[in-house]
Amino acid sequence: GESVGLHLPTLSVQEGDNSIINCAYSNSASDYFIWYKQESGKGPQFIIDIRSNMDKRQGQRVTVLLNKTVKHLSLQIAATQPGDSAVYFCAESWTGGTSYGKLTFGQGTILTVHP
Amino acid sequence: KAGVTQTPRYLIKTRGQQVTLSCSPISGHRSVSWYQQTPGQGLQFLFEYFSETQRNKGNFPGRFSGRQFSNSRSEMNVSTLELGDSALYLCASSHRTVRETQYFGPGTRLLVL
Repeated sequence: GESVGLHLPTLSVQEGDNSIINCAYSNSASDYFIWYKQESGKGPQFIIDIRSNMDKRQGQRVTVLLNKTVKHLSLQIAATQPGDSAVYFCAESWTGGTSYGKLTFGQGTILTVHP
Repeated sequence: KAGVTQTPRYLIKTRGQQVTLSCSPISGHRSVSWYQQTPGQGLQFLFEYFSETQRNKGNFPGRFSGRQFSNSRSEMNVSTLELGDSALYLCASSHRTVRETQYFGPGTRLLVL
């Protein structure tokens, strides 16, 4: 079945470092991918998305890379700050068929940023 | 523009009871999806509503149901609660339904005793 998995459940970095969070997905038909950040006691917060017709997209301090050949997604955070400490989820969506509204989430990576 | 709101934020119920959770989407959003989040299973899709119609359903028992009103507000209901239903229930809304960013509410924390 569809699944999205993360390679590393935890990531610890120093403030100012760049962070890279990885995600592997299994459904080659997935055509829309999103990264979310979830802080304790809150719902997931949208960070950035990318469609399958792109391989890179940049936002403010974040970049998402998509490699469809190996079904891999990554989130790069530049100059990581303590406020970036949270759980990061990748999610995939297949917009064909009857997959309305369904996002399949990875297990999450805990990012800890040390001052 | 106000974000997705969910009420109540916290609930404590006992086994066998039923519960109704409410979600108000972002103004103008017509699609509402519900997810269950637990430490063991992560975030799992429950169902999606668009224009008052359930268009997709995840792999959950029939005790989990939902509905959407004409103003796009949505409710989900869990009947005959079990201990395993303890979770954070998240609602997300999007403008349409496919290839649209879903924006999440803060969730309802349900504890079943």
